[in-house]
Amino acid sequence: GENVEQHPSTLSVQEGDSAVIKCTYSDSASNYFPWYKQELGKRPQLIIDIRSNVGEKKDQRIAVTLNKTAKHFSLHITETQPEDSAVYFCAASRGGYQKVTFGIGTKLQVIP
Amino acid sequence: KAGVTQTPRYLIKTRGQQVTLSCSPISGHRSVSWYQQTPGQGLQFLFEYFSETQRNKGNFPGRFSGRQFSNSRSEMNVSTLELGDSALYLCASSLERLAGAPNEQFFGPGTRLTVL
Repeated sequence: GENVEQHPSTLSVQEGDSAVIKCTYSDSASNYFPWYKQELGKRPQLIIDIRSNVGEKKDQRIAVTLNKTAKHFSLHITETQPEDSAVYFCAASRGGYQKVTFGIGTKLQVIP
Repeated sequence: KAGVTQTPRYLIKTRGQQVTLSCSPISGHRSVSWYQQTPGQGLQFLFEYFSETQRNKGNFPGRFSGRQFSNSRSEMNVSTLELGDSALYLCASSLERLAGAPNEQFFGPGTRLTVL
């Protein structure tokens, strides 16, 4: 089955700096890669996603890149703000079913 | 449009008991997935239902089961509870616009299960 590895597990950055979270996946058939943000005590919410026919996607301060050959994808947050502090999960799934495999999560702390 | 709802929000049970959790998806969503979230293991996939059929199952023992009704509401059941079953159980629904095309999942608030 699919295996998703995510690192780092914790990340502290100064407000205004950039944050990068990296994930690798094992199943070359995976074709959908969402990123979820989970604030303390709240439910995970999608912040950005990318499909395997796209190499990069950007939404304001957030961007995701995908390298299918290397089977890794990354989340980039620029100009970080304290409200970006949360746990971020990467995930991978393949067509045909909604079987989503999540990474272990990265706890991001943005220091004011 | 109302979001995904889960009941109950909190449960305390003792070892050996069984528990049933309920999930109501967003109207029109036919895919419902269940996840177990624990601090050390992150989000682990339990199973996914679509139009009352289980399409996928994760690597959990047979004590974990589920079902989906014709209105897409779903329940999961855990029998013979163990201490290690203490976790936040999340359900998520999604809209399959195209057959076989994974889409954004919308999560419910979760049910916090504590096994004593």
